[in-house]
Amino acid sequence: DAGVIQSPRHEVTEMGQEVTLRCKPISGHDYLFWYRQTMMRGLELLIYFNNNVPIDDSGMPEDRFSAKMPNASFSTLKIQPSEPRDSAVYFCASSRWGAETQYFGPGTRLLVL
Amino acid sequence: SQQGEEDPQALSIQEGENATMNCSYKTSINNLQWYRQNSGRGLVHLILIRSNEREKHSGRLRVTLDTSKKSSSLLITASRAADTASYFCATDVGGFQKLVFGTGTRLLVSP
Repeated sequence: DAGVIQSPRHEVTEMGQEVTLRCKPISGHDYLFWYRQTMMRGLELLIYFNNNVPIDDSGMPEDRFSAKMPNASFSTLKIQPSEPRDSAVYFCASSRWGAETQYFGPGTRLLVL
Repeated sequence: SQQGEEDPQALSIQEGENATMNCSYKTSINNLQWYRQNSGRGLVHLILIRSNEREKHSGRLRVTLDTSKKSSSLLITASRAADTASYFCATDVGGFQKLVFGTGTRLLVSP
């Protein structure tokens, strides 16, 4: 299996622009997670889906952030408008129902100028 | 907010030495996991220990769990330069499948 795939790997944008991060989970996995990692706050769970349905979005920082999962093989995390404090590494992870282990993608390093 | 606090924040050892890192958490758990993150990469699962287990081994890894003290330790024996990475504990305090990660320990193993 190819593992969790994220794109782009790096993104540099200017404040106010829309940013879309993409994730393809491992085939057959029922859960998909979006995390954000910064030096100050560590690794934070933003939102997670089960069978394409958002289960818990309590970690989404504010309305500028939105996530969708239109099908079992694709999810997006959108930031609109982006701000410099959104600069971080964003990880997508997936797991199977009944298994506690999560498989992480390589991450998207976002820099908002 | 982060559930796990890890200690030490950074650890520097020589190849062949053992590395021990600790994790403390705040609330009751069903299980605790350890993950490794190499620089610029995603996290990789290492080992899971359940709340009714006290010790678990996997290759050169040994994990202990003390639920009365709400703490866990990860021991890497006979360390190698390739073990250089950050190590995170994660607990399921948020419920099934929802993990909360600790602050991490940065391990540097010098040849």
